[in-house]
Parts: sequence; C-alpha cells; structure tokens
Amino acid sequence: SYVLSQPPSVSVALGQTARISCGGNNLVNIGDKAVNWYQLKPGQAPVAVVFNDKDRPSGIPERFSGYNSGTSATLTISRVEGGDEADYFCQVWYNGRDHPEVIFGGGTRVTVL
Amino acid sequence: EAQLVESGGGLVRPGGSQRLSCAVSGLDVSSNFMAWVRRAPGKGLEWVAVLYKTGTTYYADSVKGRLSISRDNSKNTVFLHMDSLRPEDTAVYYCARVNWNGGGAFDSWGQGTLLIVSS
Repeated sequence: SYVLSQPPSVSVALGQTARISCGGNNLVNIGDKAVNWYQLKPGQAPVAVVFNDKDRPSGIPERFSGYNSGTSATLTISRVEGGDEADYFCQVWYNGRDHPEVIFGGGTRVTVL
Repeated sequence: EAQLVESGGGLVRPGGSQRLSCAVSGLDVSSNFMAWVRRAPGKGLEWVAVLYKTGTTYYADSVKGRLSISRDNSKNTVFLHMDSLRPEDTAVYYCARVNWNGGGAFDSWGQGTLLIVSS
C-alpha cells in the first residue's frame, strides 16, 4: 500500500512548537488533495485535529494548525503541552487504479521533553 | 455528538472467520459514509473498507475478497465480516464516520476492538 512520508519522531520542549511534515510520493500529489490529521493516544479513540488542510474541528485548541504548501503538508502544534504527546498521522483520499482509496502517513511520535 | 462502539474482537485461528460490530448513536449510518481502519501492533494506521450511503463499498487491496463491510439500518450498526483470516490481520480495528464536507476526514471514531489472529 502507498504511504505518505512523515518523520518517525519529533521531540519538542514543553511550551515550544512542534512541526510534523507529510509528503506525497510519485503517485500522490499532495498539493491537490485535502489533508487531514489525527492524534492517537494509547487506549483512546483517534481524534481528528485538522481537516481539509487547515480547518479545526470544534473542541480542538487553536494551538493545532495545518498548512498545505502544494508539495507537502505540515501540522504545527504551538505552545506544546504534556497532553500533546501522542502519535500523529496525516491522511488523504486518492483516486486509485479502480476505486477511491485512503492513504495514511507512516505516523510521527511526538515526545514532549 | 456521535458515539461509535466496536465489539467482536478476540483470538481467532488463521483461516478462521470473525464479525466485528460498530454500534452507532448520534448519527444515522444509512445516511453517512462509514469506514473501518486498523492499526497493527507497532505499525501505523491502515484503511480497510468504506461503505457509502448508497451502499457502494470499496476495500484496500490487502483485504479485498476476504473482508466485507455492511450495515443494519434498523440497528444503526456497521459490520466488518472477516474470512480467511491471516496473522497479518492482527490489529486494533476502528470504526469511523467519513465527513465529505470536511475533506473526507474521519471525524468520529470508536475506541477500537482488538483482533488477534494466531494459532
């Protein structure tokens, strides 16, 4: 299956800014896709933190923001808190050979120092 | 706010079958796009299947022909029927709603149910 490229891990000091990139590949031009981002914590339901490149679901703090530059997408977490420590995944829909498919990034583990 | 509750996971022998259920409240499964996503131990998220409100279904290549998504509108429940199970199907399986007004994001998720395929 095709996977969007993400850094495996990002470490950030409390109160600083974490940036997670999500890159396309030779089959997926991320610039013409809506990129969605999810936060996963052990034992909890995944949570969408950004959708449609830059929109935030209700209840998600403004500290979470997204951007799609056309060549890659970025999730930025400002003023990082301990509760932000989690795995983060980007996701797009892709028009596959026969039918629509969902593609996720490989995931980024955010560690708060 | 929607609530999705998965059940049906457990230990299954390779080659066996299992049915996962996703009981939904707060949204009508018959008028929404519903999906299953899984996460194998130590791995990332993998999309498994999607069920359009029209009844059309699509599957990841890795599960095509072995897994089947369906729904029971009267019970407001989504199912994942799994046949010919393999050890690589071991994962936490999540049920989710697809919001096409929001970039196709999975905007409501359950907590997942763990399926272990092992002899």
